[in-house]
Amino acid sequence: DIQMTQSPSSLSASVGDRVTITCQASQDISNYLNWYQQKPGRAPKLLIFDASNLERGVPSRFSGSGSATDFTFTISSLQPEDIATYYCQQYDSLPQVTFGGGTKVEIK
Amino acid sequence: EVQLMESGGGLVQPGGSLRLSCAASGFTFRNYGVNWVRQAPGKGPEWVSAITSSGGRSDYADSVKGRFTISRDNSKNTLFLQMDSLRVEDTAVYYCVVGYGSGTYYDYWGQGTLVIVS
Repeated sequence: DIQMTQSPSSLSASVGDRVTITCQASQDISNYLNWYQQKPGRAPKLLIFDASNLERGVPSRFSGSGSATDFTFTISSLQPEDIATYYCQQYDSLPQVTFGGGTKVEIK
Repeated sequence: EVQLMESGGGLVQPGGSLRLSCAASGFTFRNYGVNWVRQAPGKGPEWVSAITSSGGRSDYADSVKGRFTISRDNSKNTLFLQMDSLRVEDTAVYYCVVGYGSGTYYDYWGQGTLVIVS
């Protein structure tokens, strides 16, 4: 199984700060990597697909990059509505996808 | 608008069974593979099972293989998950999920149904 390791597991930042989350795959997954946002009591929401493509309707302050085993998710200017848990997900082994452990983002 | 609505969750004792349903609307259900993804309290999502558009092929996570069975009724736009021999560790919110834009990402999720094994 492909393991996805996310870091940090939680972070606290101020409104307007740049926030960066990393995700490392246990093997080369090319760009087969998606990012989701989950707010409490809600289902995850797709933000980024294929490592760097912004889902329609998602604000441009969200971005993703990386390939092979190392990936980065960035919020360029943190907004109060961005408080959530963020997950990476690999799909190299479809249909058996795996998710990272999550990063909880809070406002300082 | 694509909509997925799960039902059938509840409290069950270890070793018991439960059948989840997912009613789909807003898209041509028979043309899409569909998945079940679960999320235990405080944990990340975990893929559970997938079924192809025709229902001809299904796949399972090792953690549920031999105990869960996925199926679909394309005439009723409904997805099912038969869960047998339930364990405490199966406690989770179960989501019906479809990759509508592409089979490589999950862009539509249901609201989830809670299964508690205790």
